[in-house]
Amino acid sequence: RKEVEQDPGPFNVPEGATVAFNCTYSNSASQSFFWYRQDCRKEPKLLMSVYSSGNEDGRFTAQLNRASQYISLLIRDSKLSDSATYLCVVDSYNQGGKLIFGQGTELSVKP
Amino acid sequence: EAQVTQNPRYLITVTGKKLTVTCSQNMNHEYMSWYRQDPGLGLRQIYYSMNVEVTDKGDVPEGYKVSRKEKRNFPLILESPSPNQTSLYFCASSASGTVPYEQYFGPGTRLTVT
Repeated sequence: RKEVEQDPGPFNVPEGATVAFNCTYSNSASQSFFWYRQDCRKEPKLLMSVYSSGNEDGRFTAQLNRASQYISLLIRDSKLSDSATYLCVVDSYNQGGKLIFGQGTELSVKP
Repeated sequence: EAQVTQNPRYLITVTGKKLTVTCSQNMNHEYMSWYRQDPGLGLRQIYYSMNVEVTDKGDVPEGYKVSRKEKRNFPLILESPSPNQTSLYFCASSASGTVPYEQYFGPGTRLTVT
């Protein structure tokens, strides 16, 4: 089993749609969770951290379910500019700052 | 401007010819790391460094070397490149601690080994 697994997609959605991505992780001791965004083979950039209580940033909502070991990202009112690959990232517990990246989920928002 | 720089951005080389990819950050970060990204495999960590003179292997260290003589620099060395090292390479840095912080990535180096 991969340490971090994501549905690779692609997800093709129309503008204005709501889309959800899920990610599962294998290490129950992991403490830190993130969503990164990567545009077309450019460098990944932090989209948002994921907190135990769930958190929201504008149209983006992240949730963490520790019992089931999954993380989700919900994007509401999709924009063309949301088209990118979304990377689920989990810390490798007890190995300093090491992060484990999922393969990424590709999103394409169409007019 | 806070940034991570990598050089070169693009490199085509031949099997066995030693090369170095430089990485530098101006944020005084303790933690630095190298990743490679290949289609279908995502980002995989090659080496990381928690501080000066402290380096450790990531998931795919074979065929690579690193050094951390200064806090700002973390070069990646391929002593004898092979075609299976053709990839997109990213350097990243972050503040260190018991909890991982946001990682800042360089723009990437696209390496082709023929």
